[in-house]
Amino acid sequence: GENVEQHPSTLSVQEGDSAVIKCTYSDSASNYFPWYKQELGKGPQLIIDIRSNVGEKKDQRIAVTLNKTAKHFSLHITETQPEDSAVYFCAASKDTGFQKLVFGTGTRLLVSP
Amino acid sequence: EAGVAQSPRYKIIEKRQSVAFWCNPISGHATLYWYQQILGQGPKLLIQFQNNGVVDDSQLPKDRFSAERLKGVDSTLKIQPAKLEDSAVYLCASSLGDRQPQHFGDGTRLSIL
Repeated sequence: GENVEQHPSTLSVQEGDSAVIKCTYSDSASNYFPWYKQELGKGPQLIIDIRSNVGEKKDQRIAVTLNKTAKHFSLHITETQPEDSAVYFCAASKDTGFQKLVFGTGTRLLVSP
Repeated sequence: EAGVAQSPRYKIIEKRQSVAFWCNPISGHATLYWYQQILGQGPKLLIQFQNNGVVDDSQLPKDRFSAERLKGVDSTLKIQPAKLEDSAVYLCASSLGDRQPQHFGDGTRLSIL
């Protein structure tokens, strides 16, 4: 089955810096890759997603890039703000059959003022 | 639009007792998911419903876990009897249909004594 690895497990940056979180996946048939943000005591919130027919997608300060050949994808946050502090999860899924998300182990991002 | 509602928010029980969680998905969402999130890990899918039918329960420990979605709207997840390793946050998610983005509730935090 699918296996998703995520790095780093923790990331500390200064406000205004950029943050990059990387994930690799094992199943070459996976073609849907969402990113979730989880704040303390809350459920995961979808922040951006990408499908395999697209190499990059941006939404304001957030971007996701996908390299299908290398089977890895990354989340980029620019101009970080303290409210970006949270745990971020990547996930992967096939688009055939029923969607079954396999999550990474999470990255705790701390943005210091 | 109202989000995914879950109750209770917290539950503490002793091992070998039973417990039930309730989920009301976003109105109109046909697909409903239950996930288990152990502390420090990403969510793991337990069961997926399409309307009132189960489409994937391959990772549900069926000797002690059960779930139903009788009318194709809200759903309950039950554990009987509970074990210490069941301590986790149980998250419910819903989507308009399969292959659509999943939206999560804030979960039920279960502690087993």
